[in-house]
Amino acid sequence: GQNIDQPTEMTATEGAIVQINCTYQTSGFNGLFWYQQHAGEAPTFLSYNVLDGLEEKGRFSSFLSRSKGYSYLLLKELQMKDSASYLCAVRVTDKLIFGTGTRLQVFP
Amino acid sequence: DADVTQTPRNRITKTGKRIMLECSQTKGHDRMYWYRQDPGLGLRLIYYSFDVKDINKGEISDGYSVSRQAQAKFSLSLESAIPNQTALYFCATSRRGAGRDNEQFFGPGTRLTVL
Repeated sequence: GQNIDQPTEMTATEGAIVQINCTYQTSGFNGLFWYQQHAGEAPTFLSYNVLDGLEEKGRFSSFLSRSKGYSYLLLKELQMKDSASYLCAVRVTDKLIFGTGTRLQVFP
Repeated sequence: DADVTQTPRNRITKTGKRIMLECSQTKGHDRMYWYRQDPGLGLRLIYYSFDVKDINKGEISDGYSVSRQAQAKFSLSLESAIPNQTALYFCATSRRGAGRDNEQFFGPGTRLTVL
């Protein structure tokens, strides 16, 4: 079976740093994606990791450890507009398997 | 801008009715997908297609059927809608290839309510 775990909800303060974890147990692995989804809207791409290590893109970074089946998304200098759900998705052969998503609320 | 569009955006229907959700894309991508999203359950794959002659079942295909009319069009049908098919439905597309090429681009979604 395929299993991808993320915390259901997180809260943080504007200007702070937050780390959203994702652990996975899947039948294969061809890369891991993070998507952002605002309420009622389509998911949009944030980051992609296929090798171990950290990928940095502006305020957002994503880390992968394939041996541990673990990834995290790091959001720095949080802004109110970062309030959204963050979806972890593992590519298995030619499909994406999504976690249930983490709803992040940013407070002033 | 190259895009993924879905029609209708909202639909309310009754149990037992047949309904079709349509997806069109101008991205020139070969691969197209249909997902449903339910609170607490995330995105689940219903059907996917890697080209016009290729249709594959996803995780939750029961009660659904699809048609790939052209490279740019992929329709999802509910032959006899039931209330537990009430959900937000997304179409997505991706290029053929490995790695980052498998990034999926999502349409705006169709909110379906079955009474």
